[in-house]
Amino acid sequence: AIQVTQSPSSLSASVGDKVSITCRAGQDISSALAWYQHIPGTSPKLLIYAASSLHSGVPSRFSGSGSGTDFTLTITNVQPEDFATYYCQQFKIYPFTFGPGTKVHL
Amino acid sequence: QVQLVESGGGVVQPGQSLRLSCTASGFTISHYKMHWVRQAPGKGLEWVSIISEDGFSKYYTDSVKGRFTISRANSKNTLSLQLTSLRPEDTAVYYCARGNLPDLYIDVWGTGTTVTVS
Repeated sequence: AIQVTQSPSSLSASVGDKVSITCRAGQDISSALAWYQHIPGTSPKLLIYAASSLHSGVPSRFSGSGSGTDFTLTITNVQPEDFATYYCQQFKIYPFTFGPGTKVHL
Repeated sequence: QVQLVESGGGVVQPGQSLRLSCTASGFTISHYKMHWVRQAPGKGLEWVSIISEDGFSKYYTDSVKGRFTISRANSKNTLSLQLTSLRPEDTAVYYCARGNLPDLYIDVWGTGTTVTVS
C-alpha cells in the first residue's frame, strides 16, 4: 500500500491568514490526489481533485499544487467556516489511502 | 439533488454480521464506480472498498479482505456492504461515496451510518 503522510498534524490560524498543508506519498502518484474538508458531525467535502483542480462550488481561496510525491493545499484568507480537518487521498494504486489529516484550529 | 443515504448500521457483538445499504438519488449509480469509506471514533478517514460500474471488479483494504463484501444493484440504484466476522476495530461511521473521473476521486459522500462492535 502507498503510505500517505501529512504535515503538520494540526495548525493554529486566525481569520484572514494564509495556511498551507503538505501531503507526501510514499511513491510517485502523478497527479492522482484529492483534498477533502471534514467538519465533525458532517460528511467530508471534496475541495481539490487531480492535485490542483478546484471542485465545483468550492471557494477560490482553496488551491492545490504538486505532482509526483509532494503536494500542497493552500487556503488564502482563512474564513471562520474553514476551521476543520483536511485530508488528502491518493488514487494511483489500491488501496486508495488517506493521509492522517491536518486539523486547522483557532 | 444528488444524494447518498446509508442505512443498516447498529450495535453488534464481535463475530457477528451486518449489512449496510446505500440508496442513491439524483443520479444513476450504474454510471459510476462506488466506494465505501469509514471513520473510527477519534481517528481519520479510512478507504474500505470500491466496486466497478458493472459490479465485476472489487477491491478492498487489507484489514477487511475476506470479511467484507461490496455489491451493487444498479436496477435499484443501491450499493451494499456485507460485514462479517466483525471486530471491535470495525467500529466506525461508514460512508458510501461516488467515484468520479479522472482518478475515481470521491465527489459525493453519503450521510454515514454508525456500526458499533462491542
